[in-house]
Amino acid sequence: GAVVSQHPSWVICKSGTSVKIECRSLDFQATTMFWYRQFPKQSLMLMATSNEGSKATYEQGVEKDKFLINHASLTLSTLTVTSAHPEDSSFYICSAEGQGSSNQPQHFGDGTRLSIL
Amino acid sequence: AQKVTQAQTEISVVEKEDVTLDCVYETRDTTYYLFWYKQPPSGELVFLIRRNSFDEQNEISGRYSWNFQKSTSSFNFTITASQVVDSAVYFCALTSLDSNYQLIWGAGTKLIIKP
Repeated sequence: GAVVSQHPSWVICKSGTSVKIECRSLDFQATTMFWYRQFPKQSLMLMATSNEGSKATYEQGVEKDKFLINHASLTLSTLTVTSAHPEDSSFYICSAEGQGSSNQPQHFGDGTRLSIL
Repeated sequence: AQKVTQAQTEISVVEKEDVTLDCVYETRDTTYYLFWYKQPPSGELVFLIRRNSFDEQNEISGRYSWNFQKSTSSFNFTITASQVVDSAVYFCALTSLDSNYQLIWGAGTKLIIKP
């Protein structure tokens, strides 16, 4: 089946560091990728939707300059948390869907646990 | 407006018991899709089932079964003869044209299976 690879799975870094998370679709072309954030014991919160070759669409309340999303190819999207602070610590999950499959199950990466000290 | 409600925050049962996780949804669309995902402690999301609004047939997959009732806008999930490995958070989700096919997530139900 379709596979989405997310890397790294765990990051611990100092406050002020910028962290890049990669999301790759391994065996299909992902025209749309989604980035979610999940706080402990809560549901997934959609941060942004990115379509290949265009600017990401951010959900209300999500800072564009803080969470930079790049979707330069049909198999790769990146989320960069710029100048991360302890309040950015969270579980970040990406998902991808192929062309014409907007009603199909999104394929999820395994998530990235980000801890900012 | 679209909404998914999982009223059960946490359920705890003893192994081998049957357990049902409730999911109630709201949508104005006549065409929509419902999903269940499992999230074990390791964090990854595991796709369990997708159901479209025109298919009200109940589905059984091994120990898992799903009861789709459009009349009550519910899509409940039952695990028969539960096992410790079933312990996880289970999310119900909805997507349709009204949400631009973005997933609308329920709050999740944490299922604890005690040995």
